[in-house]
This record gives sequence, C-alpha cells and structure tokens, in this order.
Amino acid sequence: NAGVMQNPRHLVRRRGQEARLRCSPMKGHSHVYWYRQLPEEGLKFMVYLQKENIIDESGMPKERFSAEFPKEGPSILRIQQVVRGDSAAYFCASSPSWGRNTEAFFGQGTRLTVV
Amino acid sequence: GENVEQHPSTLSVQEGDSAVIKCTYSDSASNYFPWYKQELGKRPQLIIDIRSNVGEKKDQRIAVTLNKTAKHFSLHITETQPEDSAVYFCAAQIIQGAQKLVFGQGTRLTINP
Repeated sequence: NAGVMQNPRHLVRRRGQEARLRCSPMKGHSHVYWYRQLPEEGLKFMVYLQKENIIDESGMPKERFSAEFPKEGPSILRIQQVVRGDSAAYFCASSPSWGRNTEAFFGQGTRLTVV
Repeated sequence: GENVEQHPSTLSVQEGDSAVIKCTYSDSASNYFPWYKQELGKRPQLIIDIRSNVGEKKDQRIAVTLNKTAKHFSLHITETQPEDSAVYFCAAQIIQGAQKLVFGQGTRLTINP
C-alpha cells in the first residue's frame, strides 16, 4: 500500500495561471479531504469528496477553486487565475468509509508558490 | 458548524518534563478525536486517537483524555525527548451524515535539552 500520493510536491505558478493538484488516495479508500496550510498556521478544511460526489465544500472559496474526485483517477484540486495569497501547502487526506470513525491518512502535500 | 479551539499555541518544556495540550470542541455530536504530529516540512501523522466511549487512552509516553460533558480533550506527553519537538494538532469528527475532520490551530512544542 503506497499511502496517499500527492503530486506534484512543489508547484510554481505565475499570477493568473492555473494550478492543478492531484491526490491519489490509499488503496481501498473512497473518501478524500483537502486542507490548506499557510506558513506557520493550522490545517484549514477546504472540501470533502467521495467518488463522483462533493460531500462538503464549505471551506472552499466560492471563486477560482474547484475540486473533483472522478470514478477513475485521482482527486483534483484546481485553482484558476492564481494570486500570491494562494501560496500555501495543500494537503489531501483519505479515509476508507463514511458513517464510521476512521482515521485519515495524509499525503506529503503540494507546496504551491505563486510568483 | 464544528469549531475546535486549541491551547497553547506554543509550548516550551525541558527535556524529561511533561507537556499538556488542550482542546475544546463545540459540537456535542462529535465522537472521534485524533491527534496529529507534524514535523517541519512533513505531513501530519496520527499519533493517537480516542473515541467517545472511553475517557482515557495511553500509548507509551503519550496519553489522551476526554471529558464529553465539558467538551474538551487533552494530549499528555511524559518524559519528553528532543524528537517530540513538532507541531501538534487536535481534531474532532463531526457526525452529520458526513465525516469531516475539523482541526485545532496547532501547538508548536519545543523540547529544550
């Protein structure tokens, strides 16, 4: 079991470009969370997805940000027209089921730098 | 929605002493409380968790206590070592038909040799 895989590990984008962050959950996990971590700060919830469904996107900015978790392939967090304030570490976590208390495993994160 | 408050934000203790980090949560429906440790530049990793049907859980030098009535839970680290230096996050799980983990703000623990 390779664990939660995120890529790229580091991403540099110019202002106005698009950023695509990928997350492959652990084998057997059908639930993915995305969190944003600013330098020296905590983990801010963004979105919670199940395969082909967005369960909770209450932490996601209304504009420029979107997330998906298709039936096949990784979960994608997409940031359009990036701005300097988007620079942060983006972590995804996965868990195997819903309706039960199960631990979430984190990926290594993608460090986005907007220049 | 759920809100988790964590204190202190920074904590410095002498090697060998104990460290205590406290969290409170707002949603009485929460019944799963994990603690994560994040070393510099690395991913958060689960170190211990507790479910609402127990009041205390211990794993070697680490223990967690839960007071559901007061809606607070604490992490205790005894005989601290330099490798315990990290940022620690508490979290609470909301049961509202979905499994969302809400994190506290984090505590930066420094162990002084």
